[in-house]
Amino acid sequence: AQSVTQLGSHVSVSEGALVLLRCNYSSSVPPYLFWYVQYPNQGLQLLLKYTSAATLVKGINGFEAEFKKSETSFHLTKPSAHMSDAAEYFCALMDSSYKLIFGSGTRLLVRP
Amino acid sequence: EPEVTQTPSHQVTQMGQEVILRCVPISNHLYFYWYRQILGQKVEFLVSFYNNEISEKSEIFDDQFSVERPDGSNFTLKIRSTKLEDSAMYFCASSEAPVQDKGLFFGSGTQLSVL
Repeated sequence: AQSVTQLGSHVSVSEGALVLLRCNYSSSVPPYLFWYVQYPNQGLQLLLKYTSAATLVKGINGFEAEFKKSETSFHLTKPSAHMSDAAEYFCALMDSSYKLIFGSGTRLLVRP
Repeated sequence: EPEVTQTPSHQVTQMGQEVILRCVPISNHLYFYWYRQILGQKVEFLVSFYNNEISEKSEIFDDQFSVERPDGSNFTLKIRSTKLEDSAMYFCASSEAPVQDKGLFFGSGTQLSVL
């Protein structure tokens, strides 16, 4: 069965520090992977997606993610955190019936 | 930029009452979904809809739930007799082909509180 695991329900960084949010997946077929962000009281916004074209994927707001098949990972990074990045981040895998399977989410806290 | 619109943003209802959650997907999208997120839990798939019929539904989507696309623009989720455990944020999403390349686009959600 396909699944997504996000390590760390909460991650806290200082403003200007590197952001690293971890996502591992399990899939028997080449995966389609997504990162979504949820700001307080808002919906899920697509940050970026991996669709097998390139292993390093750039998204909005300076985020990027690298697909590593050998590690079954799709970690999200941003070189320098901003206060406005504080939100909940969800990694998701699309299955063969075009539905998303979500990880449990990671809440990013940015300290001034 | 086109967006998925959901109404109402908050809905409070009494247990046993019927509720209808409304969504207006992005206009050229053909794939529609409902997800829900119970407080503190994962975002869960409820149902997908394509070509005027349900494509897939989860085990959560029992006979109390139904979906409809009554006209060319709206997509609704009806809960016939709400239970306390139906309290959650409900998200509508839509997409276009190829879905695996485009991803899903979500609305801002309807917070349903069942008292």
